[in-house]
Amino acid sequence: SQQGEEDPQALSIQEGENATMNCSYKTSINNLQWYRQNSGRGLVHLILIRSNEREKHSGRLRVTLDTSKKSSSLLITASRAADTASYFCATVFSGNTPLVFGKGTRLSVIA
Amino acid sequence: NAGVMQNPRHLVRRRGQEARLRCSPMKGHSHVYWYRQLPEEGLKFMVYLQKENIIDESGMPKERFSAEFPKEGPSILRIQQVVRGDSAAYFCASSPRRGDDNEQFFGPGTRLTVL
Repeated sequence: SQQGEEDPQALSIQEGENATMNCSYKTSINNLQWYRQNSGRGLVHLILIRSNEREKHSGRLRVTLDTSKKSSSLLITASRAADTASYFCATVFSGNTPLVFGKGTRLSVIA
Repeated sequence: NAGVMQNPRHLVRRRGQEARLRCSPMKGHSHVYWYRQLPEEGLKFMVYLQKENIIDESGMPKERFSAEFPKEGPSILRIQQVVRGDSAAYFCASSPRRGDDNEQFFGPGTRLTVL
């Protein structure tokens, strides 16, 4: 299975702290994407990193990809209460193939 | 440019009834994906369609489930003779014409409850 797995399953931090979530996968990929899901809502695309990229930034988000270890990490700096959500990584094998999601990390940011 | 639309947002059915879930992709998107999410789980792929064609249905149960994406109108996911285990959130995503990135845009989901 190509399914990604996020680690940790749940994370609770204070507002202002950084949050780091990790994702591991099993097969070669074209790219890896991170999504956020607020409780009871749909998914919001956060960032995409291609297999030939090692690091990418978007605002307070920093994503790294290590294809040799088949792993990625998502760092949220200076977290806010509004960052409270579940975060999923999803891998893309090639082209328009379906996304393969992990089970997610539930992040709670306490004000 | 409206996002991906799904309706209904909530659907309640009794066991044995049929559930029809609709998805209108973003304008200009010809690829539609359906995913199912159980509580506390990630999304699981069900089916991938282009206009009038099913490209990949490897994630869809062989019985009771069907999907279509007609030339005109929304994509439909149909579940016949629903059972309690079908209770889940069903998400539709669309993407534009073929590209290597396959960034998908998700709808708000339909939450199906089977009584």
